[in-house]
Amino acid sequence: GAVVSQHPSRVICKSGTSVKIECRSLDFQATTMFWYRQFPKQSLMLMATSNEGSKATYEQGVEKDKFLINHASLTLSTLTVTSAHPEDSSFYICSASPSGGTASTDTQYFGPGTRLTVL
Amino acid sequence: RKEVEQDPGPFNVPEGATVAFNCTYSNSASQSFFWYRQDCRKEPKLLMSVYSSGNEDGRFTAQLNRASQYISLLIRDSKLSDSATYLCVVNLHNDYKLSFGAGTTVTVRA
Repeated sequence: GAVVSQHPSRVICKSGTSVKIECRSLDFQATTMFWYRQFPKQSLMLMATSNEGSKATYEQGVEKDKFLINHASLTLSTLTVTSAHPEDSSFYICSASPSGGTASTDTQYFGPGTRLTVL
Repeated sequence: RKEVEQDPGPFNVPEGATVAFNCTYSNSASQSFFWYRQDCRKEPKLLMSVYSSGNEDGRFTAQLNRASQYISLLIRDSKLSDSATYLCVVNLHNDYKLSFGAGTTVTVRA
């Protein structure tokens, strides 16, 4: 099956610092990747759609200058949380699909997630 | 009304029991539905897609009721390893975006 990896799995940082999270598709190419955030006991919320070679598409209410997304290759997307604050502490998960991810029937495969704690 | 709504549970059942739960969705035109499983502090993993006529995968049965806008998941002969949070996932607007329910927690006890 399709494998998506994320790094790091866990990060603890001080308020005001920036944190970069990597999402890689290991055995397929992904022109589109998705970034989600999940707070405790809540559902996954789509933050943005990462497009290879072009700008990311952000969901309403997600600050694009705070959550920088770069999708420089067909197997790697990065999410940088800039000037992180305690309220940014969350579980960040990426997903991708071997079949592109832009059709309604595409199966999404999720990375193992990155747990961010901002002190 | 939430776009995808689930009973959070928890459903505490003994091994071997049957457990079933539903998920309602807001857009009657939605076409794609999935059940994902999420273990504590882990990523969601696809359990099964939900087809219009209903479908079965081993001990798991998924149904779609378009008239009442809900999908269901039934687990037969529950195993301890079935303990998890089950996420209802709907492609609400038939684009590429998935909408997630907050999950139904199932705990199977020995």
